Amino acid sequence: GEDVEQSLFLSVREGDSSVINCTYTDSSSTYLYWYKQEPGAGLQLLTYIFSNMDMKQDQRLTVLLNKKDKHLSLRIADTQTGDSAIYFCAEMRGATNKLIFGTGTLLAVQP
Amino acid sequence: DVKVTQSSRYLVKRTGEKVFLECVQDMDHENMFWYRQDPGLGLRLIYFSYDVKMKEKGDIPEGYSVSREKKERFSLILESASTNQTSMYLCASRGGGPGTDTQYFGPGTRLTVL
Repeated sequence: GEDVEQSLFLSVREGDSSVINCTYTDSSSTYLYWYKQEPGAGLQLLTYIFSNMDMKQDQRLTVLLNKKDKHLSLRIADTQTGDSAIYFCAEMRGATNKLIFGTGTLLAVQP
Repeated sequence: DVKVTQSSRYLVKRTGEKVFLECVQDMDHENMFWYRQDPGLGLRLIYFSYDVKMKEKGDIPEGYSVSREKKERFSLILESASTNQTSMYLCASRGGGPGTDTQYFGPGTRLTVL
């Protein structure tokens, strides 16, 4: 199908690690992205990974890509209350470089 | 600092009204996008533009049109608003070329059609 899929909700305790998962559909996608949306705000790019990579680390963020299974994950180490937000994965498809977004995962961080 | 602004944060309109949503970017970007965001559906692309006076339909263009008369401004038009167009509308812009170019998003306009 056409959909990029994510679970809708994740709850973690402050200080724990969070893992947000995403499955995408187009094996020819060149770039995959993670965006964060805080309440009442637009989307902010967190990180991206090129499709020939299988891991990327950026401070507390680790992105894992399993191209065979078309599975992308975002791990947030030492999760803080300020990480509470909706997280969207997106894949870049086609000659027009359109971004196809997932449904978003609401991350709730409990103190 | 990059900036994408949208003309209204909240808008309430009546069924049948013509609605204009304005988006302005100050980064001299060629590409601009309009999405709508609905719970459980993520972001869906309505229209995009890769240059002045150029436009392309996205995934859900029905009921919408767009205008790009100047590079910095991309307008979304609802010719006759309907209740199923109640949604959060997000504008984004991006520089030329694929890959690492970031799409910068505006804060969104929450439109309610009564």
